[in-house]
Amino acid sequence: DTGVSQDPRHKITKRGQNVTFRCDPISEHNRLYWYRQTLGQGPEFLTYFQNEAQLEKSRLLSDRFSAERPKGSFSTLEIQRTEQGDSAMYLCASSSVSGGSYNEQFFGPGTRLTVL
Amino acid sequence: GNSVTQMEGPVTLSEEAFLTINCTYTATGYPSLFWYVQYPGEGLQLLLKATKADDKGSNKGFEATYRKETTSFHLEKGSVQVSDSAVYFCALSEYGGATNKLIFGTGTLLAVQP
Repeated sequence: DTGVSQDPRHKITKRGQNVTFRCDPISEHNRLYWYRQTLGQGPEFLTYFQNEAQLEKSRLLSDRFSAERPKGSFSTLEIQRTEQGDSAMYLCASSSVSGGSYNEQFFGPGTRLTVL
Repeated sequence: GNSVTQMEGPVTLSEEAFLTINCTYTATGYPSLFWYVQYPGEGLQLLLKATKADDKGSNKGFEATYRKETTSFHLEKGSVQVSDSAVYFCALSEYGGATNKLIFGTGTLLAVQP
């Protein structure tokens, strides 16, 4: 399977705990995006990487959130001191970029986080 | 700021009925427009796209035309099937934006009954 993969698929945690999610993009894709989707809403942009550089962060990404893509391949999204409001589906997407034109973002299946 | 508004669901249709899901947008410049689909238990998939005014995107019998004068990108299909049951998201990407990040609508659940 050469699609975008995410791990874990489901995570249940207690308020105040830290959690980390992983995303493995399609291998030749240099762009990687994180989105968050709450129930009944569309996905909202959180941050994106081009290779290993984090080039934009949404104001939705509070200082409890940190994302990395250390070698320009997989990425991790960590949430510290989780709150109930962090409960959501966290989506990862990847794309290539050529000549500045838009290329399709391919989405992973998501990690569903439940904070008790 | 840029935003997307789409009709609320659920939309319930009988098989072979005509489908329209309305989508309007607010954006500066000339965004690219997309419809994504999310089947039960699966990730988001690009259904179709249009990158400039009057372009028509089409795929799997679905169509949408980029209407700049009405800032709309309505999704249509002439004859839906049970297998089309899914959540449909309208989205835009800013023209010339370096990130190509997507701004999504809230999604419309389509349920097709046999």
